[in-house]
Amino acid sequence: AQSVTQLDSQVPVFEEAPVELRCNYSSSVSVYLFWYVQYPNQGLQLLLKYLSGSTLVESINGFEAEFNKSQTSFHLRKPSVHISDTAEYFCAVRKDSGGYQKVTFGTGTKLQVIP
Amino acid sequence: DTGVSQDPRHKITKRGQNVTFRCDPISEHNRLYWYRQTLGQGPEFLTYFQNEAQLEKSRLLSDRFSAERPKGSFSTLEIQRTEQGDSAMYLCASSPRSSYNEQFFGPGTRLTVL
Repeated sequence: AQSVTQLDSQVPVFEEAPVELRCNYSSSVSVYLFWYVQYPNQGLQLLLKYLSGSTLVESINGFEAEFNKSQTSFHLRKPSVHISDTAEYFCAVRKDSGGYQKVTFGTGTKLQVIP
Repeated sequence: DTGVSQDPRHKITKRGQNVTFRCDPISEHNRLYWYRQTLGQGPEFLTYFQNEAQLEKSRLLSDRFSAERPKGSFSTLEIQRTEQGDSAMYLCASSPRSSYNEQFFGPGTRLTVL
């Protein structure tokens, strides 16, 4: 079975500063990786995903994540955060195999952007 | 709004009562998922449907829990004889045939069992 670890439950950062939200996974097989974001009082939304190909994936709002197979990591980064990035971010993993595979979520990291 | 909707958004009930939640997925999404999320945790998978067929259930889904998707459209999740430990946010998500790797989540139903 796969698992996801998000060691940081909360990350405060000043506006316009860079941020990195850490995600490590464990799996005995190849995986797909995801970052979801949950804004206050809203449902989870897919932010970005790694399925195959380039190990660096980007979102439309300036976030990026890099799949590192040797370190089993998929950290999320943004070079300059905005107040509107304040939200909870969940890393998720599923097996890379045919048919339906369950998605396993991490415990989430709350990003608090300070003006 | 054409997103996933859930009803009710909040439910307060007394221990031992039965509750039922409804999820309306995005139109023509053939896969539907139920998750439970407790404070400080990420969503935990409960069950999933492909069309009207319930194809997988988590061990978290005790015999007090039942889910249906009778016509392959909306789904209901019923909890019988609720316990305080059932207090959580219940999330519904759906995904289309064209992109099983993306799940679209609803806003959730927050259940409080007194």
